[in-house]
Amino acid sequence: EDQVTQSPEALRLQEGESSSLNCSYTVSGLRGLFWYRQDPGKGPEFLFTLYSAGEEKEKERLKATLTKKESFLHITAPKPEDSATYLCAVQAYQKVTFGTGTKLQVIP
Amino acid sequence: DAGVIQSPRHEVTEMGQEVTLRCKPISGHDYLFWYRQTMMRGLELLIYFNNNVPIDDSGMPEDRFSAKMPNASFSTLKIQPSEPRDSAVYFCASSLGIYEQFFGPGTRLTVL
Repeated sequence: EDQVTQSPEALRLQEGESSSLNCSYTVSGLRGLFWYRQDPGKGPEFLFTLYSAGEEKEKERLKATLTKKESFLHITAPKPEDSATYLCAVQAYQKVTFGTGTKLQVIP
Repeated sequence: DAGVIQSPRHEVTEMGQEVTLRCKPISGHDYLFWYRQTMMRGLELLIYFNNNVPIDDSGMPEDRFSAKMPNASFSTLKIQPSEPRDSAVYFCASSLGIYEQFFGPGTRLTVL
């Protein structure tokens, strides 16, 4: 059975304090790994797709990386508007499994 | 494009009543997904369709839940009869190919 584990469950950072969120996975035949951002009361919003180990994607203060067993979402010099829950999902053949997310709070 | 549209946004009903949630996917997308999100269990995939055909409904919790997609621009998720443990936020998402998904705003269901 495909499994996705995200850590930490919650993270509190000072504005400007860089950190990383982790997504470890066990899946047969990884087709892709996705990162989403979810704000309270809204649906998840797509951020990145990673397809193979060694791949990296960047968007503003966010950088996602992928290895054979895990993915990291690095947040550089975060701002309060980066506060949200970040979800990781893995796609195997015809199936997508989501992790439970990391709730990030960035304090001014 | 308006994005994925869901209705209603909020639904409050009493135990035993039938509940129907509606979704309009993004035009041109060939995959449609129904999810349920709770604090305890996170985001759970209930069922998904490809070209209007149900592909995997293994996440549907029990026979009280059913989903249909009569055409490419409309899908429903029905719960009959509803129970308090069905209270959750239900999301619909669509995608072009089984890749990045675009989520709707969700329906917050409360069953009393």
